[in-house]
This record gives sequence, structure tokens and C-alpha cells, in this order.
Amino acid sequence: QVQLQESGPGLVRPSETLSLTCTVSGGPISSHYWSWIRQAPGKGLEWIGSVSDSGTTNYNRSLRSRVTMSVDTSKNQFSLNLISVTAADTAVYYCARRRVDPATIPGNWFDPWGQGTLVTVSS
Amino acid sequence: QSVLRQPPSVSGAPGQRVTISCTGGDSNTGAGYDVHWYQQLPGTAPKLLIYGRNNRPSGVPDRFSGSKSGASGFLAITGLQAEDEADYYCQSYDSSLSASVFGGGTKLIVL
Repeated sequence: QVQLQESGPGLVRPSETLSLTCTVSGGPISSHYWSWIRQAPGKGLEWIGSVSDSGTTNYNRSLRSRVTMSVDTSKNQFSLNLISVTAADTAVYYCARRRVDPATIPGNWFDPWGQGTLVTVSS
Repeated sequence: QSVLRQPPSVSGAPGQRVTISCTGGDSNTGAGYDVHWYQQLPGTAPKLLIYGRNNRPSGVPDRFSGSKSGASGFLAITGLQAEDEADYYCQSYDSSLSASVFGGGTKLIVL
């Protein structure tokens, strides 16, 4: 059974870079797309973007200028970098596997999810 | 403002049936993209509840079901239980944004 675990600093200074890693266990990272989703305190879910096992990316347009995602297949990990953060980027960040039905592509859903990690942007 | 619109809250007594709606537009649910549903218990990560045309992952009780009519998706929960009290989110794909989009979430209150 595939499991995901986020890791990274819980506190980031304003204007600096938020960097998170998601470690995939129980299955290979290959042949899938992997995603980051965030949830600001007391708010709803926001899709940040997705990265394939070969490094193909797709980002939320509202964050595209600040986001980079990458994958390290040798470590079964994928990563998120978000530059120039502000307090508005304070959120719980989740990693998740993107699933598709070939008959309904590009429609997709997310399963499973990591437990999430709270990142606070503050000086 | 979420792309997909959900009621902020719904409530029901134990044993009753409740329905949560999720309404989008011409570039997402109205374009035929499926509506998927997630359950988020307090303090935990979202969990996939319904995907595609009313498919349930292993372990999800058949009290949960999904349907779609036009641009709206629906999550129905029958035989309501106290443990069902949670936030529920719908999700779909938007072709004009080339992005996955979520509803704002609905808090289910079990009376």
C-alpha cells in the first residue's frame, strides 16, 4: 500500500524559499503523476501543481511564477520549491498521488494523501 | 472564491440521509468532467471518498454514494453516523485553467 510522507522546515522567513520533500513508500514513483495541495488555516484546498516521474510539470496559474516541482526516482521522492513566500503562503502542505481514468483524461483525482505538514511564514 | 460551489454546511440526525451539492461551470463539471469527493476528519488529511462515476475506494462504506446531473455533482450519505461529522470537499478538472479545482468545502454536522 502506497504511503506518502512530507518533510521540511515548519518555519520559513518572508521573501525566502519554502522547500518540501515527499517520500513515497510501498510502491514505485514511476508511472504516476504526483501533486502538491495546500490548505491555509481554516480554509479550503488549493491545488499547487503536479509532476510526473519523468519531470513533466503542470502548475496552478496563480502560483506558476513562484513554483518549481521536481522528482528524484532514485530516492522515490518528489519536491516542491516556492520562492518569495509571504504570510499568505502559510498553510498545511499535502503531497498526493494523482490518479486518472484513461477514458476521462485529463480528469483526475488524488489518492493517497500524505498526513500534511504545517509551514508557517513569519519573521 | 472557489471554482466549484458547495454549501458551507449541512446537518442531519443520526440515521438520516443528507446530500451535499457541488456546482461548477462550462469548463469543468458542465463540460463533463467527473466530480470526486473527499472526507476530511478534524485534524487529519483529506481522504478519497468517491471517484469517477460513483466509485468507492476499498474500505469506504456503501452509505456514501456520488451522482452527477448537468454541471452539479452530489454526495449522498445514508444512515448518518456521528463519525461522519467532517468537512467534505468536491474536486474536478477545469479545462480553461488546465488545473484541478476544489470546492470550498461543506461541514457536515450530525445533530
